[in-house]
Amino acid sequence: QVQLQESGPGLVKPSQTLSLTCSVSGDSISSADHYWNWIRQPPGKGLEWIGCIRKSGSTYYSPSLRSRLSISVDTSKNQFSLKLTSVTAADTAVYYCARDGTAWGQGTLVTVSS
Amino acid sequence: EVVLTQSPGTLSLSPGERATLSCRTSQSVNSVSLAWYQHKPGQAPRLVMYGSSNRATGISDRFSGSGSGTDFTLTISRLEPEDFAVYYCQYYGASPFAFGQGTRLEI
Repeated sequence: QVQLQESGPGLVKPSQTLSLTCSVSGDSISSADHYWNWIRQPPGKGLEWIGCIRKSGSTYYSPSLRSRLSISVDTSKNQFSLKLTSVTAADTAVYYCARDGTAWGQGTLVTVSS
Repeated sequence: EVVLTQSPGTLSLSPGERATLSCRTSQSVNSVSLAWYQHKPGQAPRLVMYGSSNRATGISDRFSGSGSGTDFTLTISRLEPEDFAVYYCQYYGASPFAFGQGTRLEI
């Protein structure tokens, strides 16, 4: 059974870069062609799709975040990562990683504050 | 870019009743790429329906999905206490794989 686990700092200062990693177990990122997603939920708001990556390295980004966003994959570590630059308080959210829509991490809260 | 609009924003019902949730897309989409998720506080979202009408693994047959073109529906018959949550639709046929704004199903 596939499991995903987000990791990274819980607090990021404004204007800095938010970096998260999703570690995958029970499945190999380099096997079948899944979409490895990042999704977030700001406090009191709905789900927002951030972007995703495939094993080939092809990426798909939300238009509203594209200028600040980078998603990468490390098949040797069976991980994929998110980098969001120039963060503001509006980027405060619970961040989830997911394989397609079928398997999700538990989420990690990232707060942007000085 | 496909925009998804869900209605109603909040649906107040009682256990045993039937819930009908709507998701409208801004343009006609292929129904094979429409999903529904259930989200409870403090938990990860859970896939309920994929391909607009296919129940995900472990989902009760009280859940059914339908629709085509721009109008899609998630129906929950005979509501159980564990069904009360926020439900989101998502289109995953083409990037961006946007979510609707959600429908809160409350007791």
